[in-house]
Amino acid sequence: RKEVEQDPGPFNVPEGATVAFNCTYSNSASQSFFWYRQDCRKEPKLLMSVYSSGNEDGRFTAQLNRASQYISLLIRDSKLSDSATYLCVVNPNDYKLSFGAGTTVTVRA
Amino acid sequence: DADVTQTPRNRITKTGKRIMLECSQTKGHDRMYWYRQDPGLGLQLIYYSFDVKDINKGEISDGYSVSRQAQAKFSLSLESAIPNQTALYFCATSDSGSGFAGELFFGEGSRLTVL
Repeated sequence: RKEVEQDPGPFNVPEGATVAFNCTYSNSASQSFFWYRQDCRKEPKLLMSVYSSGNEDGRFTAQLNRASQYISLLIRDSKLSDSATYLCVVNPNDYKLSFGAGTTVTVRA
Repeated sequence: DADVTQTPRNRITKTGKRIMLECSQTKGHDRMYWYRQDPGLGLQLIYYSFDVKDINKGEISDGYSVSRQAQAKFSLSLESAIPNQTALYFCATSDSGSGFAGELFFGEGSRLTVL
């Protein structure tokens, strides 16, 4: 079983729509969680950390469900510039980060 | 200029050749990492270094070696390249205060093709 699993998508949504997707992780002892954004053929960049109580950054909302071992990302009022691959990243211990393969979102005009 | 710089950005080589990918950073971070990315897979850690004298194997170190020449420089070598090492390679850095729990800053990537 992969340590971090994501629906690869693609999620094709019109501008202004809301899109949400999840990522599941296998190690219940994981302590830190992140969403990174990766544009096509570019390097990943941190989008946001995910806190236990859930957190929001502008149009982006991240949630953590420890009982079911998943995190989610919701994008409201989608923009064309939100088109990217979103990587779920989990810190299962002090010596590694586990990356999901990514969920691709395409926002169309 | 990028804070984390990788060279070369693209390289095509033949099986059996020795290849070196170089990474330099101006962020002042002491932790540096090498990852590879393959389609449909998450980034996989090859090697990491917490300081100049501390180098550790990651998940997929076989066939690779590294050298930390200075705090700002971390190079990855493929002693004898093989086709399944064709991938996109990323160097990354992080602050020692955050380690694996903090933000990683990635270079722009080095696309390697082994024929």
